[in-house]
Amino acid sequence: NAGVTQTPKFQVLKTGQSMTLQCAQDMNHEYMSWYRQDPGMGLRLIHYSVGAGITDQGEVPNGYNVSRSTTEDFPLRLLSAAPSQTSVYFCASNLHQGDWNEQFFGPGTRLTVL
Amino acid sequence: DQQVKQNSPSLSVQEGRISILNCDYTNSMFDYFLWYKKYPAEGPTFLISISSIKDKNEDGRFTVFLNKSAKHLSLHIVPSQPGDSAVYFCAATSLGGADGLTFGKGTHLIIQP
Repeated sequence: NAGVTQTPKFQVLKTGQSMTLQCAQDMNHEYMSWYRQDPGMGLRLIHYSVGAGITDQGEVPNGYNVSRSTTEDFPLRLLSAAPSQTSVYFCASNLHQGDWNEQFFGPGTRLTVL
Repeated sequence: DQQVKQNSPSLSVQEGRISILNCDYTNSMFDYFLWYKKYPAEGPTFLISISSIKDKNEDGRFTVFLNKSAKHLSLHIVPSQPGDSAVYFCAATSLGGADGLTFGKGTHLIIQP
């Protein structure tokens, strides 16, 4: 198993550009989520999904869109990047919502918006 | 307002001694607590958890204590080893709720040889 994979590892964008951060898991997990981590801050939940076709907002959803067309993939879209979105983004998955002891994180994507 | 607080940004401990990392929470709906360990350029990894029906949980060198009345939990690492140098995040959730985890800001633990 590859676990949770994220691409790209690093990305630099200009303000107003759009991009998609990719996240995939091969563990057949139902629950997937996206967090952002800013310097000196903990991880904050952006969006989550309890299964294919179902997504919901977390604590800081503004400026981000998600979709979950398959169990494996949970891409995060920035439609018009802003400097405030400079952060490290982590994708995570667990078998079911509530299986927090078995939540696996990807290695992260470091995004800089100029 | 921060619902999960880790007030020590960093902690330095000698190898072989006990490391104690602290965490406070304000949301009385939280009933499940976790500690994660994070190395640079990697994602967090689960370390240990505790349910609100317990006041202690042990796993090898790691023990988590929960004081519900004080809304405080702590992670004890005994003995501390060089490989324990990492950032430790405290996280909390309500098992019956729909939201994910709420994280603290983290404590950078440095084990001195």
